[in-house]
Amino acid sequence: GAGVSQSPSNKVTEKGKDVELRCDPISGHTALYWYRQSLGQGLEFLIYFQGNSAPDKSGLPSDRFSAERTGGSVSTLTIQRTQQEDSAVYLCASSLTTGDTQYFGPGTRLTVL
Amino acid sequence: DAKTTQPTSMDCAEGRAANLPCNHSTISGNEYVYWYRQIHSQGPQYIIHGLKNNETNEMASLIITEDRKSSTLILPHATLRDTAVYYCIVRVVYSGAGSYQLTFGKGTKLSVIP
Repeated sequence: GAGVSQSPSNKVTEKGKDVELRCDPISGHTALYWYRQSLGQGLEFLIYFQGNSAPDKSGLPSDRFSAERTGGSVSTLTIQRTQQEDSAVYLCASSLTTGDTQYFGPGTRLTVL
Repeated sequence: DAKTTQPTSMDCAEGRAANLPCNHSTISGNEYVYWYRQIHSQGPQYIIHGLKNNETNEMASLIITEDRKSSTLILPHATLRDTAVYYCIVRVVYSGAGSYQLTFGKGTKLSVIP
């Protein structure tokens, strides 16, 4: 079946612009997670959703970062006033329910010039 | 989640079995052993997980020692496409509370040699 999909696959933007990253989880998965991975680094947790609620936003680096999920499906991660240090691969994962096996999408590579 | 220890790198000849070890001596009774891999420039890929018993799926086999302090991921017939970083993690499943974030260590860089 279809896996987790993310769009765009690559995004190049200028410092100070806003960007939106989209994640489509596996159909029927109620939990959705956002991570980011900088070059050569490990996974950095950002936020997770159970349904449309975000019980844990502890990983969001600053108030420039926000995420929402509507209809218990698609999620959007928004970064306002992007900075060069925001450059990374943003990964989305979903699981059947919270705590279950997480399946990752291919990621969005964000480059802030 | 318990800490894991893996070799930094391993080589394997194409067509041979790749055996990737992982030590998790402080694993708790309710923690599962999970394996993911990450091929260059791709998202992490789930491989297999288990609690006590050995597990097998279409990708790999997972052998967990009786005391659960270590495990081995086996790729029965490695191909060049199996070249990746392999991550062993131990984690609680369905804990009912707390964050469910995954934390990957440095993993084992497996190179499959033609």
